[in-house]
Amino acid sequence: DAGVTQSPTHLIKTRGQQVTLRCSPKSGHDTVSWYQQALGQGPQFIFQYYEEEERQRGNFPDRFSGHQFPNYSSELNVNALWLGDSALYLCASSLGYSGSYSGELFFGEGSRLTVL
Amino acid sequence: AQRVTQPEKLLSVFKGAPVELKCNYSYSGSPELFWYVQYSRQRLQLLLRHISRESIKGFTADLNKGETSFHLKKPFAQEEDSAMYYCALSPRNDYKLSFGAGTTVTVRA
Repeated sequence: DAGVTQSPTHLIKTRGQQVTLRCSPKSGHDTVSWYQQALGQGPQFIFQYYEEEERQRGNFPDRFSGHQFPNYSSELNVNALWLGDSALYLCASSLGYSGSYSGELFFGEGSRLTVL
Repeated sequence: AQRVTQPEKLLSVFKGAPVELKCNYSYSGSPELFWYVQYSRQRLQLLLRHISRESIKGFTADLNKGETSFHLKKPFAQEEDSAMYYCALSPRNDYKLSFGAGTTVTVRA
């Protein structure tokens, strides 16, 4: 099991552009969460997807949107990029609402976005 | 609102010495509390959670509801404990985690 996989690992965009990040959850997991980690900070919760619907959302603007596919993989989209969006974006999977709660999130290695 | 504070950005100890990482939280209900760890060139992973009341790699963490703290301790630090440690909180039966800013631990030989 490869665990949680994310792509791309690094990317560079310019202000105003749009970006799409991708995530495949750990085998057997049905819930995907996205986190933003700025330099020197802990991860911040963006949103969580289960059964192809956004279930919870953190304090992020509507420029941040996502999607979950029937195979449980997920995308994070950010529109109108600005410098402050430069960060490591982490995907985490879990066996969420359909399974017994374990409390453990399994993280990917992240996608590092640089906005110039 | 839920908030996690880790007052120490950096912590340096000698091998064999005790190490304690501080974590304070604010939350209106009864939260779940966790310690996550990131070793060099590895992904973020769960170290322990308060409900389990277990010792992982010699680390323990006690939830003090009166002081709203969840400090991580190990009596004898090892070089392989050098890593970034994050304290995290979530509502009960919820995977929406709030993380602290993290503490970098360096264990010197």
